[in-house]
Amino acid sequence: DAGVIQSPRHEVTEMGQEVTLRCKPISGHDYLFWYRQTMMRGLELLIYFNNNVPIDDSGMPEDRFSAKMPNASFSTLKIQPSEPRDSAVYFCASSFPGQPRDEQYFGPGTRLTVT
Amino acid sequence: QKEVEQNSGPLSVPEGAIASLNCTYSDRVSQSFFWYRQYSGKSPELIMSIYSNGDKEDGRFTAQLNKASQYVSLLIRDSQPSDSATYLCAVPGAGSYQLTFGKGTKLSVIP
Repeated sequence: DAGVIQSPRHEVTEMGQEVTLRCKPISGHDYLFWYRQTMMRGLELLIYFNNNVPIDDSGMPEDRFSAKMPNASFSTLKIQPSEPRDSAVYFCASSFPGQPRDEQYFGPGTRLTVT
Repeated sequence: QKEVEQNSGPLSVPEGAIASLNCTYSDRVSQSFFWYRQYSGKSPELIMSIYSNGDKEDGRFTAQLNKASQYVSLLIRDSQPSDSATYLCAVPGAGSYQLTFGKGTKLSVIP
């Protein structure tokens, strides 16, 4: 299996621009998680989905952030408009049924820099 | 609010020594616990999971869980330079598949 796939791997954009991050979970996994990692705050959960339905978005920092999962194999995290404080590494993770569901497998991440 | 605390480090040990990483958590109902390893510039990788009190061994790694004291530890025996990484402790909530991560302990194994 290819593992969790994320794109792009690096994104540099100017303040005010829209940014879209993409994630393809491991085939058969029914939970998908979006995290943000910074030196100051560590790894923070932003939102997670079960069977394409958002379950908890309480970690989304503000209305500028939105996430969708139109089907079982694709999810997006969008920031509009972006700000310099959004600079971080964004990870997508997935987990699968039939095993402890809290074992999560991470994608390689997207390093976002907003100038 | 669930809290997961790790010894801040950085932790330096000589090659061949035992590295001991500790984690305490505030949520008494947590049933499972995870250790992730994260190399610099890479994503977290699950290396150990433990669900019952006591020890769980996997190669050079041993996870220890004490639910009464609300701590979980990771021992790395015969530490190697390739073990140099940040180790993250993660705890889910009861009935939830969300994980709360500690801030991590950076381990350096000195050749």
